[in-house]
Order: sequence, then structure tokens, then C-alpha cells
Amino acid sequence: GESVGLHLPTLSVQEGDNSIINCAYSNSASDYFIWYKQESGKGPQFIIDIRSNMDKRQGQRVTVLLNKTVKHLSLQIAATQPGDSAVYFCAENRGISGGYNKLIFGAGTRLAVHP
Amino acid sequence: NAGVTQTPKFQVLKTGQSMTLQCAQDMNHNSMYWYRQDPGMGLRLIYYSASEGTTDKGEVPNGYNVSRLNKREFSLRLESAAPSQTSVYFCASSPRFGNTEAFFGQGTRLTVV
Repeated sequence: GESVGLHLPTLSVQEGDNSIINCAYSNSASDYFIWYKQESGKGPQFIIDIRSNMDKRQGQRVTVLLNKTVKHLSLQIAATQPGDSAVYFCAENRGISGGYNKLIFGAGTRLAVHP
Repeated sequence: NAGVTQTPKFQVLKTGQSMTLQCAQDMNHNSMYWYRQDPGMGLRLIYYSASEGTTDKGEVPNGYNVSRLNKREFSLRLESAAPSQTSVYFCASSPRFGNTEAFFGQGTRLTVV
């Protein structure tokens, strides 16, 4: 069953095009930024992370860009495929006094890939 | 390759009823987490267990309790369910506390009427 909200921003792309999903974050003290993918009826799945002292990191067909000046994170998916259709969440790994780290998730963006 | 297994997948409760959501992982992970997912709000941390024998509150712990039964199992209990607890609940685990790659179960859709 559907497990994410009805009012998420949606990005519609054609199969084969490149996709760019954006995320703004709030806390400059976060040490890692992470992207998760959630397909309908499933739990979130880790895609890629980037440490706060990096600007760019590449994975298989995905690239994450971090702009600390404007507190902006993006996920680029090359040659988008129908299997990429999902909700994408950015998350911050935030350290708190006392040694507690936690993942703070954004609200998500729905990616719809059309043939 | 079961990963993280949650039971049940769906549940309907009446206001005031209690229930326990079960979670088990077979990856020998030290840390386990319970999140709730509500429309437009991403995932919010309810409780976590950094390691076997410890549990701590997350962002939204009110109305919930947890038990880290052993290294594999981490349960979430609603003592007196309220409509505000209608949500999708996800259990997750990671090799160590704070690790950025958490592995999630498939979720439990809970409706409180």
C-alpha cells in the first residue's frame, strides 16, 4: 500500500532524461547528508551519502551535490528509468550534545518517470 | 536475506486499545530505531536503541514505549492508542549508532478509530 503523503512536490521526467531532485537543509552542524529512496509500499532505502566537508560525490548513475553556502543538497539521476519512480528523501545526520546522532528527514519529493 | 521484518503489516485499533509492533533484524546490527511517517512530514524518530540493553527517546516519544528484547528484536508499544497515532510505522537498524545507512522494514500501517 501507499506509504507516503498525498501532497508531496512531484517531479515528472521522461525516461532517459536526467533528473535533479533538490533539498534545502537547516542545520549547518550536520556532519552527513543522505538520500533515501522509498518505493510504494516499501521502507526507505539508502542511496548515497555525502560528508559535510565534500561538495560532490558520485555513485552508480547518481551524483549528490552539496552547497553549504546556501544550505542546498541535490540528487542527480542520470538516464532516469521507470524503476527510479519513487519518493526521494534527503536526510541530515545531526550530532547533538551527549553524543547522540540522529537522522532528520525532509518531507520528500515524488519522482514520476514517464515512458 | 530477510533484513528487517515488521509485524503486523496492517492494524486497525479502537481508541484506548493497546498493541505492540514487532521488529526483528537478522543482520547482527547494534542499533535499532522506530520511526513514524505522516503525510508531508517525512519520517520522525520515536525511540531508538543504540545498542542491546539501551533505549532512548527520539523526537516524538509521547504515547509510546519500547523494549529491546535482545540484539535482534526491538518492539514498540502503544499503551492507549489515540487517533493522532494513526500513521505508518517503520523499524530500522544500522550497524552502529548514527550510521548513515539505516536499513528499513516494510512498515506497519496503523489506523486508530
